[in-house]
Amino acid sequence: EDKVVQSPLSLVVHEGDTVTLNCSYEVTNFRSLLWYKQEKKAPTFLFMLTSSGIEKKSGRLSSILDKKELFSILNITATQTGDSAIYLCAVEARGETSGSRLTFGEGTQLTVNP
Amino acid sequence: EAGVAQSPRYKIIEKRQSVAFWCNPISGHATLYWYQQILGQGPKLLIQFQNNGVVDDSQLPKDRFSAERLKGVDSTLKIQPAKLEDSAVYLCASSWPPGQPLNTEAFFGQGTRLTVV
Repeated sequence: EDKVVQSPLSLVVHEGDTVTLNCSYEVTNFRSLLWYKQEKKAPTFLFMLTSSGIEKKSGRLSSILDKKELFSILNITATQTGDSAIYLCAVEARGETSGSRLTFGEGTQLTVNP
Repeated sequence: EAGVAQSPRYKIIEKRQSVAFWCNPISGHATLYWYQQILGQGPKLLIQFQNNGVVDDSQLPKDRFSAERLKGVDSTLKIQPAKLEDSAVYLCASSWPPGQPLNTEAFFGQGTRLTVV
C-alpha cells in the first residue's frame, strides 16, 4: 500500500519566518512527487518533482526531491499571511494494470501570523 | 482554459438519503479522479477512471458509493444511503494520462461540501 507522510501536521509562524515542510513516501513504481496548496477547497498545483537533487523554485517557494532517501521538502522564505494554507504532498506511481495512481499525505496546516 | 467543474458546491442531506455529485473534467483529460477529504485530513482516493474505464476503486465503499463515467467525459458520484461519516468535501480532479507528451499534474475542481445530519 502506498504511503505518504507529511510533517509537521501543523505549524504556526510569524510573517517573515522561513519554514520547511517535509514529505516522506513509500510507493511502488514511483513516477513523480507533487506539492499542492489548499486554501479553501480546491488544491492548487505548486511543483512536480521527478528527479533527485534538482531544486524547483517559484518566487519564495522552493522544493527538492531525494529519491534515494524517499523524501521531499518544501521551503517558504519570508512568509506572508497569504501563505496560510494546507500544503499537500502527493506521490504519483505507475498503476499495476494501467494509468497511474495519486496518493496524498495528510497535509501540513501552515498559519502565518502578522 | 476552463477548469474542472463540479456541482453542487454545497449539499446538506439527512442520513439514509441519497445524493449525487457531478464533475466535468478539463477538455481532453482522459484521467478523472474522485477524492473524499474529511476535515483535517488529506484527500483520499475513492475512484479513478481512464476514459470510461475504472483504473482503481479499491477504496470506494461499494455498498453505498457508486460512480460512472459513461462517455469518458463527465462523471457522477453517488452515495446511497448516506451516513453521518460521509460528511466531507468531495473533490474531482483530472489530468492527461501518464506517458503522454502533455502529462501534467492533476487539476482539481472546487469540490462539493457534503453535510449529513
